[in-house]
Amino acid sequence: GENVEQHPSTLSVQEGDSAVIKCTYSDSASNYFPWYKQELGKRPQLIIDIRSNVGEKKDQRIAVTLNKTAKHFSLHITETQPEDSAVYFCAARARDTGRRALTFGSGTRLQVQP
Amino acid sequence: NAGVTQTPKFQVLKTGQSMTLQCAQDMNHEYMSWYRQDPGMGLRLIHYSVGAGITDQGEVPNGYNVSRSTTEDFPLRLLSAAPSQTSVYFCASRPTAGGELFFGEGSRLTVL
Repeated sequence: GENVEQHPSTLSVQEGDSAVIKCTYSDSASNYFPWYKQELGKRPQLIIDIRSNVGEKKDQRIAVTLNKTAKHFSLHITETQPEDSAVYFCAARARDTGRRALTFGSGTRLQVQP
Repeated sequence: NAGVTQTPKFQVLKTGQSMTLQCAQDMNHEYMSWYRQDPGMGLRLIHYSVGAGITDQGEVPNGYNVSRSTTEDFPLRLLSAAPSQTSVYFCASRPTAGGELFFGEGSRLTVL
């Protein structure tokens, strides 16, 4: 099955700096890669996703890049703000397999210092 | 629009007790799933269903049962609770075609 590794487990940045979280996956059939943000005590919520037919996607201060050859993808947050503080999860899914389930990374706790 | 609704939000059990975590969605999603969240381990899939009458095991199914008699409901049963099942449980659903997985608010379970 799919295995997703995520690094770092914790990340502390100053407000206004950039933050980068990296994930690797094992199943070459995976073709959908979402990122979820989970604030303390809340449910995970999708912030951005990318499919394997594109290499990069941006949404305001958030961007995701995908390298299919190396089987890794990354989340980039620019101009970080205190409200970006949360746990971020990457995930991967092979759309055309019987399971069609998301496999999540272990999470990155991002702390943005004012 | 309620989305994905889980009950109860909090539960304390003694070892060996049984209980059911309820999950309902009003988005007509065929796909539903249960994850557990433990510190440092992310979200791990317990069971999932691709439609009424169809269920399958995920990564960590032992100690849990599920059924799917309707499109809307996907309950998770713990037959004999163990301390290792202390966790936060999330139900999630999405359309069959894929895309965003919508999560419920979570159920925090403590087994003493």
